[in-house]
Amino acid sequence: DSGVTQTPKHLITATGQRVTLRCSPRSGDLSVYWYQQSLDQGLQFLIQYYNGEERAKGNILERFSAQQFPDLHSELNLSSLELGDSALYFCASSVASGTGRFNEQFFGPGTRLTVL
Amino acid sequence: GQQLNQSPQSMFIQEGEDVSMNCTSSSIFNTWLWYKQEPGEGPVLLIALYKAGELTSNGRLTAQFGITRKDSFLNISASIPSDVGIYFCAGPLSSGSARQLTFGSGTQLTVLP
Repeated sequence: DSGVTQTPKHLITATGQRVTLRCSPRSGDLSVYWYQQSLDQGLQFLIQYYNGEERAKGNILERFSAQQFPDLHSELNLSSLELGDSALYFCASSVASGTGRFNEQFFGPGTRLTVL
Repeated sequence: GQQLNQSPQSMFIQEGEDVSMNCTSSSIFNTWLWYKQEPGEGPVLLIALYKAGELTSNGRLTAQFGITRKDSFLNISASIPSDVGIYFCAGPLSSGSARQLTFGSGTQLTVLP
């Protein structure tokens, strides 16, 4: 158990819909990262938040957005869903923002999204 | 963007055999990471390498940070059934204060009894 929790574990929805994925980082971790894992693209970084502020954006679509709340939990919002959005979505957390030596990122169990 | 080329894509080995996999990049990385992912779970960090030429072990696992900083190797000795999973190399991209990870495509390891 990494200490990172994600809900829900599974999500099945239809094209055009909007969903919200939730992540609670490990106690004490200020950084949250979202990754998407699909068969054709592999594991790809989407976005990072540190202490409530966006720090970096990766291959995140405009239909996707995220935020980190004062209690440090984070939500990833996916809208106007398409079949190709079906994937595993992972949240990871680390102690710091990333300056200096790399801080280990601890991954949650993921949310499996299926868009029908 | 930066890409990590990981090989082999899959391996089928007999229990007790040793395993080697590697990862190469066209760009320099200052840190190399090896993760393992089991079905239904997120990746778990196995080994982190911080210096070119570094050789680090974690039980039966040994990883090396290539001298050129563009490659890394992971070896598993005397494989056992619980070694089954997908092994990923990864490197942190640094842009300002961010540390997002770039992952290789993974090596699917199957251990046959």
